[in-house]
Amino acid sequence: GAVVSQHPSRVICKSGTSVKIECRSLDFQATTMFWYRQFPKQSLMLMATSNEGSKATYEQGVEKDKFLINHASLTLSTLTVTSAHPEDSSFYICSASVGVEAFFGQGTRLTVV
Amino acid sequence: RKEVEQDPGPFNVPEGATVAFNCTYSNSASQSFFWYRQDCRKEPKLLMSVYSSGNEDGRFTAQLNRASQYISLLIRDSKLSDSATYLCVVDQTGNQFYFGTGTSLTVIP
Repeated sequence: GAVVSQHPSRVICKSGTSVKIECRSLDFQATTMFWYRQFPKQSLMLMATSNEGSKATYEQGVEKDKFLINHASLTLSTLTVTSAHPEDSSFYICSASVGVEAFFGQGTRLTVV
Repeated sequence: RKEVEQDPGPFNVPEGATVAFNCTYSNSASQSFFWYRQDCRKEPKLLMSVYSSGNEDGRFTAQLNRASQYISLLIRDSKLSDSATYLCVVDQTGNQFYFGTGTSLTVIP
């Protein structure tokens, strides 16, 4: 089946720094990718829809200037958490769809200290 | 109101038991429905799609009731390996997925 690769799987950063997370579709082209955030014992919350060659669409309550999304090619979307704070610590997961099925990256566990 | 509502559990059942999870969704125009399984600290993986006619895959049966905006998952003959969080997922506008909070299942020996 389709494979979505996400990197890094785990990152610890200092408060105030920026962290970039990459999401790649390995064997298919993805014009649209999705970014989710999952806090402990909570569900995945859709943050934004990443569109190749155009601006991302953010869900209500998600700060576009803080969570920068770039989808410059059909196989790569990046999420940059800017000026990270401890409350940004979470599990971030990307996904891309093939037909009606969504394939997820392995997730990135971000810890801001 | 949340897009997808799901009883978080936890459900603790003995091996061999039958367990059912339910989920409701708010948008009547939702197009596709799924159950995903998520193991601790891992990404969700598709368990099965949910069709209007209901569908079965081995020990797992999924049903959809569009009139009541309700989805269910039945697991028969529970195995220890079934222990996980089961996520109800609704696709509203074509590839835009909304997740329930997940239902935690622990199968006890």
